[in-house]
Amino acid sequence: GQQLNQSPQSMFIQEGEDVSMNCTSSSIFNTWLWYKQDPGEGPVLLIALYKAGELTSNGRLTAQFGITRKDSFLNISASIPSDVGIYFCAGRQYGNKLVFGAGTILRVKS
Amino acid sequence: DAGVIQSPRHEVTEMGQEVTLRCKPISGHDYLFWYRQTMMRGLELLIYFNNNVPIDDSGMPEDRFSAKMPNASFSTLKIQPSEPRDSAVYFCASSLFRTNEKLFFGSGTQLSVL
Repeated sequence: GQQLNQSPQSMFIQEGEDVSMNCTSSSIFNTWLWYKQDPGEGPVLLIALYKAGELTSNGRLTAQFGITRKDSFLNISASIPSDVGIYFCAGRQYGNKLVFGAGTILRVKS
Repeated sequence: DAGVIQSPRHEVTEMGQEVTLRCKPISGHDYLFWYRQTMMRGLELLIYFNNNVPIDDSGMPEDRFSAKMPNASFSTLKIQPSEPRDSAVYFCASSLFRTNEKLFFGSGTQLSVL
């Protein structure tokens, strides 16, 4: 079936640093999304991407829909302690269900 | 505006017992999804409804699992009989769009089957 590979699996960063993570697949997707899950809560949608090459920002977060349509990237600038959580990518093909990656666990050293 | 409401937040039960998880979607949303989250398998879609009708239940693990949506404001996920391997966090989510990408998740039910 469709699989999304997220990288890295987890990361420790220093407060104030920029963060990059990505999501890749062997399949083409026409929608990419990024969700964040705080401890004890459900995932919350951060950014949705609908076109290859699209670059979209939400505050300090910027996500890109890869040109090949097989990948997506999320960047967080100037990280702060509340950025801690699990970041999930999700992809969808036409008429198909949403597929979630395994997540990137972000821990911030304050 | 209230988000997706799930109950209970935590459920501890013994193997063989029936478990019922409840969900109230966001008012006006016409799609409702049940997901299961585990460390091993991540987020898995179990079943989803459109206008109270089950559309795809291919993710339901086995016959012990069943889901209903008797009206637009309420859904249940039932496990009977429960087994230890059912221990997980179960999320309900709702959305407005057929494309379902903009999901609004509840806070989940942490289920422990002993």
